[in-house]
Parts: sequence; structure tokens; C-alpha cells
Amino acid sequence: EAGVVQSPRYKIIEKKQPVAFWCNPISGHNTLYWYRQNLGQGPELLIRYENEEAVDDSQLPKDRFSAERLKGVDSTLKIQPAELGDSAVYLCASSHEGQILYEQYFGPGTRLTVT
Amino acid sequence: ELKVEQNPLFLSMQEGKNYTIYCNYSTTSDRLYWYRQDPGKSLESLFVLLSNGAVKQEGRLMASLDTKARLSTLHITAAVHDLSATYFCAVDILVLRVANAGGTSYGKLTFGQGTILTVHP
Repeated sequence: EAGVVQSPRYKIIEKKQPVAFWCNPISGHNTLYWYRQNLGQGPELLIRYENEEAVDDSQLPKDRFSAERLKGVDSTLKIQPAELGDSAVYLCASSHEGQILYEQYFGPGTRLTVT
Repeated sequence: ELKVEQNPLFLSMQEGKNYTIYCNYSTTSDRLYWYRQDPGKSLESLFVLLSNGAVKQEGRLMASLDTKARLSTLHITAAVHDLSATYFCAVDILVLRVANAGGTSYGKLTFGQGTILTVHP
């Protein structure tokens, strides 16, 4: 079974530039999550989708961050404009809500460096 | 606001020794996960603990959950170098979906700070 796929793996941009990250979840997983992991810390949830609906975006900084999950499969997370403090690893995870475990499977992440 | 605290944050162990990582959390929950993260890699699920008194074991690692004490432990037996990594606990709570979706669901994980484990000869 293929895991969660993310691209790009690394991105270096200058501040004030836009950037986008892409995620393809595990086939059949209807729930998709975006997390941000700062250096030396645990991941923090940004947004959670069930199918194509964002059911929890309370921690997404909406002034500069946006996300979409068209057709309930792939998802894109965008930052515009990026700030120095946005440097972090952005992780995508997916789960199947029908499973009792609600276990989340994580992708490899995109490491963003803002200069 | 749910707080999840791990200790120790740094753990240097000798091969063959035993040790325990503690995960305390601040609100009622009966769902807790342990993850492992190698440098530059993503998170790998180790254990899912779903009820009070749950105990899971895999190889040299054993995890337990005490929901009344709001405490989970990850015990390492006879450590080997391959166990060197960062270990995270994450607490899951029921949350309300946004108004237009309704209902509740699990899936809102709050992670601890992580414990960096180094096993040396």
C-alpha cells in the first residue's frame, strides 16, 4: 500500500513570496490533516478535512494560509506571503474515519526555509 | 486548552539499560498515541492506546495508559542503538465539527514536545 505522498520535499523561498505544498493521501482515506512542525517541537494541527470539507481550521492563520481539498482526495496548502517565522516542516497525514483507531498516517513532509 | 508534557526531553541511555518516558496530559481523554521520528523523517506510529489500563508491547518497547492519572508511559527494555530517535506522545480528544458539518469526531491530536533518545554503547 502506498503511503502519504507530499511534494516538494524541500523548498527555499524569500520572504514575501508565495509557496504551495501538495499532498496525496492514502487511497481510501477520507480524512486529511495538515500539520506544522517547528524545529525541536511536536507537530501542531493546522487544518483537518473530512472528504472535501474543512471540519477544523481553528489553528490555520487565515490571513496568509489557505488550503483546499478538491474532490476529497489531494490537498494543497498555500502560504502567501511567506514570513521568516513560517520556516518549518509541513506534514500531511491521512486516516479513515470508519476505522475505530482513527490512526493517522504521516507523509515525509515538506521542509520550508524562508530567507 | 489541552497541554501534553513529556519528560524527560532528552535521554541518553547505555545499551542494555531500561528506562521510561512519561507523558502527562491536562484533560480527560482515553485515546493516546506514541510515535517515533528519525532525523529528517516523518512520524511512524508505534502504539495506539484506547482505554484505561491499556498496555501494548512491541519488541523492547511497552506503552501503557492510565486515564485517571492522565498519564502514559513508554518503557524501554534493554536499549539498543537502533532505538535512538525522537519519541512523541499525542493525545486525541473528541471535538465538535464546524457548524455546517455538525457532530463530533476524534482526530484532533495534540502532541508532546518529544523526547530525544540516544542509546550509546
